[in-house]
Amino acid sequence: AQSVTQLGSHVSVSEGALVLLRCNYSSSVPPYLFWYVQYPNQGLQLLLKYTSAATLVKGINGFEAEFKKSETSFHLTKPSAHMSDAAEYFCAVFNDYKLSFGAGTTVTVRA
Amino acid sequence: DADVTQTPRNRITKTGKRIMLECSQTKGHDRMYWYRQDPGLGLRLIYYSFDVKDINKGEISDGYSVSRQAQAKFSLSLESAIPNQTALYFCATSSPGLSTDTQYFGPGTRLTVL
Repeated sequence: AQSVTQLGSHVSVSEGALVLLRCNYSSSVPPYLFWYVQYPNQGLQLLLKYTSAATLVKGINGFEAEFKKSETSFHLTKPSAHMSDAAEYFCAVFNDYKLSFGAGTTVTVRA
Repeated sequence: DADVTQTPRNRITKTGKRIMLECSQTKGHDRMYWYRQDPGLGLRLIYYSFDVKDINKGEISDGYSVSRQAQAKFSLSLESAIPNQTALYFCATSSPGLSTDTQYFGPGTRLTVL
C-alpha cells in the first residue's frame, strides 16, 4: 500500500521567512499526492495536488510543491511566511480510491 | 452556505451511550467518507461509500457503523461509545475524476466520551 511520511511534527518560522514542510512517499506506482491545510477549528482545505503532470505544482495562498521521483519526495514550500499561514498541514497519497494521510505538521509563525 | 455540513459540531457524552454524527452535502458528489483525527496520527479512514448502496470499511471501523440515507447524507454511529473514541471526526465528499478524487471536508465534529 502507498503511504506518506511527514518529517517534523512542528515547524516554527519567522514572518517573511521560507516555509518548508517535508513529505516523503512510498509507492510502487506513480502516486497522486496532495497537500491539505487545516486552520484552527476548521476542516481540511486542499492546497494543491500532483497528478503526474508538471512536477512543480502551484497551489493557493502562494504555496507550491515539487514532485521528485528520485527522492520520493513532495515537499511544500512558500517563499515568505505570513501570520495567516499558522495552521496544520497534511500530506496525503491517493491510494486505492482513498486518501492516506501523514501525521501532520503544525506551523507556527513568529512576528 | 457550506457545501459539506456536520452536526453536531461538539458533543460530550458518557461511556456506553449511542451517538450519531450526521453529514450532509450539497456538492452532488457520489462518494462520502468518515475520518477521525487524533493528535500525531493524522486522519484515519473509518468508513466510505461510493454510492447509496455501497458501504465499505476503512482502516479503523471497529466500534463504528454508518448509514447512507441518500446521496447527500452519510451518518456515523457509535453504538456504545468508549473514551478512546474521543476525537475530531470529519466527513468528506468527492466525485470521481479522470485520474483521482479531490476530497472536500466538512468542519468537523469534536466528540468527547467521558
